Amino acid sequence: NSKVIQTPRYLVKGQGQKAKMRCIPEKGHPVVFWYQQNKNNEFKFLINFQNQEVLQQIDMTEKRFSAECPSNSPCSLEIQSSEAGDSALYLCASRRLGGRDQDTQYFGPGTRLLVL
Amino acid sequence: AQKVTQTQTSISVMEKTTVTMDCVYETQDSSYFLFWYKQTASGEIVFLIRQDSYKKENATVGHYSLNFQKPKSSIGLIITATQIEDSAVYFCAMREAGNTGNYKYVFGAGTRLKVIA
Repeated sequence: NSKVIQTPRYLVKGQGQKAKMRCIPEKGHPVVFWYQQNKNNEFKFLINFQNQEVLQQIDMTEKRFSAECPSNSPCSLEIQSSEAGDSALYLCASRRLGGRDQDTQYFGPGTRLLVL
Repeated sequence: AQKVTQTQTSISVMEKTTVTMDCVYETQDSSYFLFWYKQTASGEIVFLIRQDSYKKENATVGHYSLNFQKPKSSIGLIITATQIEDSAVYFCAMREAGNTGNYKYVFGAGTRLKVIA
C-alpha cells in the first residue's frame, strides 16, 4: 500500500532533549504532512510542505519544532526540547499533485516517541 | 469548520460476517473527498477506500464498500466476509477546502473493530 518511509520507528528521550525523526515521502509525492497522534487516537496536524516550502503549520510547531524537507534528502521533524506531553505517534503522510489520486494521503508507519 | 464524527467507539463481530461502521461529516464545500483508513496494532495506517462527493456510485474495493448518503452527510464503511486480520481501528477522514496543494484533512475519532473467530 504505502511506500512512505519513517525512521526511527521508536524514539526514547529525556525531558529537555532534542528528538528528531525523518520521513521519505512516496516517490512522486511533493506534498508532505506531519501529524501527531495521541493515545486517544486523535490526529493533530503539525505542518505540511510542498517540496521544500512550508505551506501551513500550527503555532506549537512554529515555536517548539524544527521541520524541513530539503531537496534530495529526507524530510525531518525535530522537537527542540522534548516534554512529557510530546509522547505520541508521529505520522508522516504524502500525496501527489495532479492525477486522479491526488487527494489521497498515504501514511508512513510512524515514529513512536516516548519522553521520560 | 469541517468536522468528522464516528460515534461507534468499538464493535465486535464474528468472523465471516458483515460489519458497517458509521461516519457523518459537516462541510460547507460543494465538492469534497472522503476517505477510510485502517490502523493496525503496530500503528501502521493503511488507506482503504475513498469517495468523491460528486460521484453517485458507492465506491468498492475488494471486500470494502461505502454507503454514501449525501443528503445525510453520511459515509459508512462496509466490510463483508470479515477476517481476523480486519481487527484494527478504522478512521474516517475528509479533505478540507483550501488552495490547491494546501489542503488539510480532518479525521474522526476512530472505531475499534474486533473480529472474533
